[in-house]
Amino acid sequence: GENVEQHPSTLSVQEGDSAVIKCTYSDSASNYFPWYKQELGKRPQLIIDIRSNVGEKKDQRIAVTLNKTAKHFSLHITETQPEDSAVYFCAATISAVNSGGSNYKLTFGKGTLLTVNP
Amino acid sequence: SAVISQKPSRDICQRGTSLTIQCQVDSQVTMMFWYRQQPGQSLTLIATANQGSEATYESGFVIDKFPISRPNLTFSTLTVSNMSPEDSSIYLCSAARGVSFSYEQYFGPGTRLTVT
Repeated sequence: GENVEQHPSTLSVQEGDSAVIKCTYSDSASNYFPWYKQELGKRPQLIIDIRSNVGEKKDQRIAVTLNKTAKHFSLHITETQPEDSAVYFCAATISAVNSGGSNYKLTFGKGTLLTVNP
Repeated sequence: SAVISQKPSRDICQRGTSLTIQCQVDSQVTMMFWYRQQPGQSLTLIATANQGSEATYESGFVIDKFPISRPNLTFSTLTVSNMSPEDSSIYLCSAARGVSFSYEQYFGPGTRLTVT
């Protein structure tokens, strides 16, 4: 099955700096890579995702890049703010019809605790 | 995005008892899942809830311990049976529409279970 490794486990940055979280995956058939933000006591929230036919995607201050050859993808947050402080999870899945039962099953990384210091 | 609700939001149960958690989605979705998240940990998939048929369980999870129902496209239940303190965790349901390349998966607010 799929295995997702996520680094670093903790990341502390100053407000206004950039933050980068990296993930690698093992199954070359994986084609959908979402990122979730989870604040303490809250549900995971989908913040950005990327599909395997795209190399990069941006949404305001956040961006995700994907390198299919190397099987890794990264989350980039620019101009960090204290409200960005949370645990961030990457995930991978095979999302397709007739994918042998793997449809949409997310395999998560272990998470990164991001702290943005004012 | 789908709006997903769960109940109860939390419960404290005695060992040996069972608890059923309900998950309701505001619109029809193709896929529904149940995850477990232990304190300070990542999310682990328990099973895929299949409409009108038996759930598909991941390695380490069995139907006798975690029976799941999904009678229609918008509702599912997870039962945690014969509970022990090791079952103390947050249980989350999720849903994905799974149509027209809409791969996004959204989570319910979770049920915080404490077993004493």
